[in-house]
Amino acid sequence: AQSVTQPDIHITVSEGASLELRCNYSYGATPYLFWYVQSPGQGLQLLLKYFSGDTLVQGIKGFEAEFKRSQSSFNLRKPSVHWSDAAEYFCAVGIIQGAQKLVFGQGTRLTINP
Amino acid sequence: IAGITQAPTSQILAAGRRMTLRCTQDMRHNAMYWYRQDLGLGLRLIHYSNTAGTTGKGEVPDGYSVSRANTDDFPLTLASAVPSQTSVYFCASSDQPNTEAFFGQGTRLTVV
Repeated sequence: AQSVTQPDIHITVSEGASLELRCNYSYGATPYLFWYVQSPGQGLQLLLKYFSGDTLVQGIKGFEAEFKRSQSSFNLRKPSVHWSDAAEYFCAVGIIQGAQKLVFGQGTRLTINP
Repeated sequence: IAGITQAPTSQILAAGRRMTLRCTQDMRHNAMYWYRQDLGLGLRLIHYSNTAGTTGKGEVPDGYSVSRANTDDFPLTLASAVPSQTSVYFCASSDQPNTEAFFGQGTRLTVV
């Protein structure tokens, strides 16, 4: 079955430090890939997406992600985090064959130290 | 404002009662989804609909039912609520079944 794994449940970084959130997926073909952010008490907002083409994609709020087919990964990065980046981050895959749907990872909670 | 509207925003429900969570979108999206969000488990797909008139089971469908009579509405029904259904429920929609999804603000349901 298709699955998405975010190995880090909780990450703490200092403001101004770099950030990388990990995402691995299990799927027979290359899926569509997404990163979402959820602020406390809010719904989910799309940060970026990958469908095809350049494997390094840019998103909103200074985030980027790189698709690595050989590692089945789609890690999210930001060179310098801001206190406002504290939130929950979800990786998701869009299944493109068979029962088409979106499958989410467990989420990574990001805390920013001042 | 275009988007997804969920109702109610929160509800406390007695166990054994029937409850329908409402979801309406005005983007004319083909696909709609219901997810539940629980601490440490992320978002788990309950049911989905790739187009009006069709529905499918997600990862955790037991105890829930859905219908998709038209493009805009995708209600989720709990026939007989149990405490394990206490969760935050999100409705979402996307133009195609596997592309970018837009989310509602969620319904916080507590079953006591």
